Amino acid sequence: AQSVTQLGSHVSVSEGALVLLRCNYSSSVPPYLFWYVQYPNQGLQLLLKYTSAATLVKGINGFEAEFKKSETSFHLTKPSAHMSDAAEYFCAVVSGNTPLVFGKGTRLSVIA
Amino acid sequence: DSGVTQTPKHLITATGQRVTLRCSPRSGDLSVYWYQQSLDQGLQFLIQYYNGEERAKGNILERFSAQQFPDLHSELNLSSLELGDSALYFCASSAYTYQSPLHFGNGTRLTVT
Repeated sequence: AQSVTQLGSHVSVSEGALVLLRCNYSSSVPPYLFWYVQYPNQGLQLLLKYTSAATLVKGINGFEAEFKKSETSFHLTKPSAHMSDAAEYFCAVVSGNTPLVFGKGTRLSVIA
Repeated sequence: DSGVTQTPKHLITATGQRVTLRCSPRSGDLSVYWYQQSLDQGLQFLIQYYNGEERAKGNILERFSAQQFPDLHSELNLSSLELGDSALYFCASSAYTYQSPLHFGNGTRLTVT
């Protein structure tokens, strides 16, 4: 069965600094990988999706993620953090005919 | 706006009671998923329906049941409620395959007292 591990339940960065949120996956077949963001009192929104077309995936709000098969990783990055990026971020995997499995989430705080 | 509507937004009830959560999927989406979000368990997949039929089952308790109606809206029924059932319940919908992105509603916050 597939699974996702997000390293760090809470990450804090200064405004303008690099954002790096880590995600490692486990899957017996080629996976589809997703990053979702959840703002307070809202549902999850899709940030980006990896579907094997390209290893570097660009998403909304300046975020991108790189698929590295050798490291079974799909880390999320943003060159310069903004206050509005403060939220909970979820990495998720689907492979084969099974529904989406989410990691436990990483809460991103941005300090002015 | 994801296009997925969940009602009610908040629900407060007592232990032992039964509640029904409702979800209207995004227009055109045939799949509906239910997830439970709690601090200790994170986001747990409960159940999926596709065009009225149950497609996949996750960590759903026997006290919980769901269905998808001909107009594609879905209901999640929670019975014999316990304090531990207090959580945020999300509905999501997608177009067709598991590889399609999920579109989430804003959730129903259930508090069992």
